[in-house]
Amino acid sequence: DQQVKQNSPSLSVQEGRISILNCDYTNSMFDYFLWYKKYPAEGPTFLISISSIKDKNEDGRFTVFLNKSAKHLSLHIVPSQPGDSAVYFCAARMLTYSGAGSYQLTFGKGTKLSVIP
Amino acid sequence: NAGVTQTPKFQVLKTGQSMTLQCAQDMNHNSMYWYRQDPGMGLRLIYYSASEGTTDKGEVPNGYNVSRLNKREFSLRLESAAPSQTSVYFCASSEAILVQVDSPLHFGNGTRLTVT
Repeated sequence: DQQVKQNSPSLSVQEGRISILNCDYTNSMFDYFLWYKKYPAEGPTFLISISSIKDKNEDGRFTVFLNKSAKHLSLHIVPSQPGDSAVYFCAARMLTYSGAGSYQLTFGKGTKLSVIP
Repeated sequence: NAGVTQTPKFQVLKTGQSMTLQCAQDMNHNSMYWYRQDPGMGLRLIYYSASEGTTDKGEVPNGYNVSRLNKREFSLRLESAAPSQTSVYFCASSEAILVQVDSPLHFGNGTRLTVT
């Protein structure tokens, strides 16, 4: 049962326009949500996060919105640039208590964004 | 500043062979993780180590073992490789040891493993 869903495998956007990537989750125990960006042959890199107690977080061209009642979050990229072309993973954090304590991330399947010049 | 280093980058194994994937981080992070990524799937957690001296199973631990050799190094071992273990393996680390700390994962560039 997939707890974090990215229902769009791919998205194409013109350079300069807005890119909106969506993510849905099912588990109310998630307390933090993160977006990772991945280029081919590289590991994912952290992009932006949002706490479950907030509804918006902004970092330059990137904004993440969280709608807790709908269990939905979205990543907005404005304006989109060709260098933004990558796979974007949504991830949700749940606290675990194992020994010293840690957290686990559950990832969605990713959305491949193509920004067309 | 190397971050998280994984070796090897590529590996081909025959069914039944064993191998160890190596991972080292130079950020003095407490927690380390092994994930696998399969086509059309998100990253799935295999094992993690919240701190030096501890390891725990993740979502898909069967067929794997891990060793947290010291604070820097966390290895993943396949004792008897199977074709279902063909995947890209990512090691990651994070500063977080206490749940209050917000600390994103830092990933290595992955090991592409093929089991024939």
